[in-house]
Amino acid sequence: GENVEQHPSTLSVQEGDSAVIKCTYSDSASNYFPWYKQELGKRPQLIIDIRSNVGEKKDQRIAVTLNKTAKHFSLHITETQPEDSAVYFCAASNRGSYIPTFGRGTSLIVHP
Amino acid sequence: DAGITQSPRHKVTETGTPVTLRCHQTENHRYMYWYRQDPGHGLRLIHYSYGVKDTDKGEVSDGYSVSRSKTEDFLLTLESATSSQTSVYFCAISESGRGHNEQFFGPGTRLTVL
Repeated sequence: GENVEQHPSTLSVQEGDSAVIKCTYSDSASNYFPWYKQELGKRPQLIIDIRSNVGEKKDQRIAVTLNKTAKHFSLHITETQPEDSAVYFCAASNRGSYIPTFGRGTSLIVHP
Repeated sequence: DAGITQSPRHKVTETGTPVTLRCHQTENHRYMYWYRQDPGHGLRLIHYSYGVKDTDKGEVSDGYSVSRSKTEDFLLTLESATSSQTSVYFCAISESGRGHNEQFFGPGTRLTVL
């Protein structure tokens, strides 16, 4: 089955800096890679996703990149703000399975 | 938020007692999932359902059972709760047939087993 590794487990940055979270996956059939943000005490919510037919996707201050050859994808947050502080989860799944595999999460702390 | 609710939101119970958690959706989504979330482990799949009366096990299914008699409801039962089942439980739903698998999560249930 699919295995998703996520690093780092904790990331501490100063407000205004950039943050990068990286994930690797094992199943070459995976073709959908969502990122979820979970604020303290809240539910995970999708913030951005990418499909395997594109290499990069941006939405304002967040972007995701995908390298299918190396089987890794990354979340980039620019100009971080305190409200970006949360746990971020990556996941991978393929069209034939509606069961995503999640990484273990990254706790992002943005210091004012 | 998608129309998905969980009940109860908090529960404290004793070891050995049965517990049932309910997930209810108003989105008519085909797929429903139960996850548990523990520090350092992220989201781990317990069971999932791909239709009424169609369910399957996830990676941490031991000690749990599920039932789905209606599209909108997915029940998670702990037959005999243990302290290791103290966790936050999230239900999720996803639509089928659109070529991507975005999940919408419920608000979570915090379960404490004493």
